Amino acid sequence: KAGVTQTPRYLIKTRGQQVTLSCSPISGHRSVSWYQQTPGQGLQFLFEYFSETQRNKGNFPGRFSGRQFSNSRSEMNVSTLELGDSALYLCASSGGTRGAQETQYFGPGTRLLVL
Amino acid sequence: DAKTTQPTSMDCAEGRAANLPCNHSTISGNEYVYWYRQIHSQGPQYIIHGLKNNETNEMASLIITEDRKSSTLILPHATLRDTAVYYCMIPSNTGKLIFGQGTTLQVKP
Repeated sequence: KAGVTQTPRYLIKTRGQQVTLSCSPISGHRSVSWYQQTPGQGLQFLFEYFSETQRNKGNFPGRFSGRQFSNSRSEMNVSTLELGDSALYLCASSGGTRGAQETQYFGPGTRLLVL
Repeated sequence: DAKTTQPTSMDCAEGRAANLPCNHSTISGNEYVYWYRQIHSQGPQYIIHGLKNNETNEMASLIITEDRKSSTLILPHATLRDTAVYYCMIPSNTGKLIFGQGTTLQVKP
């Protein structure tokens, strides 16, 4: 089975721009979660999508948004980029029936640098 | 999510067993203990999970105390590639994993 894939792997943007990151879950998985990892804050939960609906949300501003398609692929968007948005963005997929109480499979991440 | 406490860092000699402890005194009866690890700049990797009984898979063993207030992850024969940050977590039904600081395991030759 192919693992979780994320594209692009690396991205450089400037302040004020917007960015869209993509995540393809493991085949058959219906839940996709997004996390932000920075040296200062560690790994923080952004949101989770299940069956095209946002099921859970972390404490991030509205500039961070996401969506999930009928094939379970997910995208997250960050608008009006700030320097502090520079981070490794990770997505994780799981079957989806038990939320975080089931094994999460993480992708390799997208490293975003905001200049 | 139930709070977990782990040592900040540990060293282990290559080829020896690495024993990583985790305290989770507020765990409730139906909550699982999960272990993940993150090798530098990669996505976290699932290792093992358990509820009450000890568990073993191809990567590690998980020993959970009878009162379930603590657990130990055992890597039986640590290699240099096991150098990573190890996270012990008690996921709840909130749909999110809360990552603490984890234990940085340094395997030394």
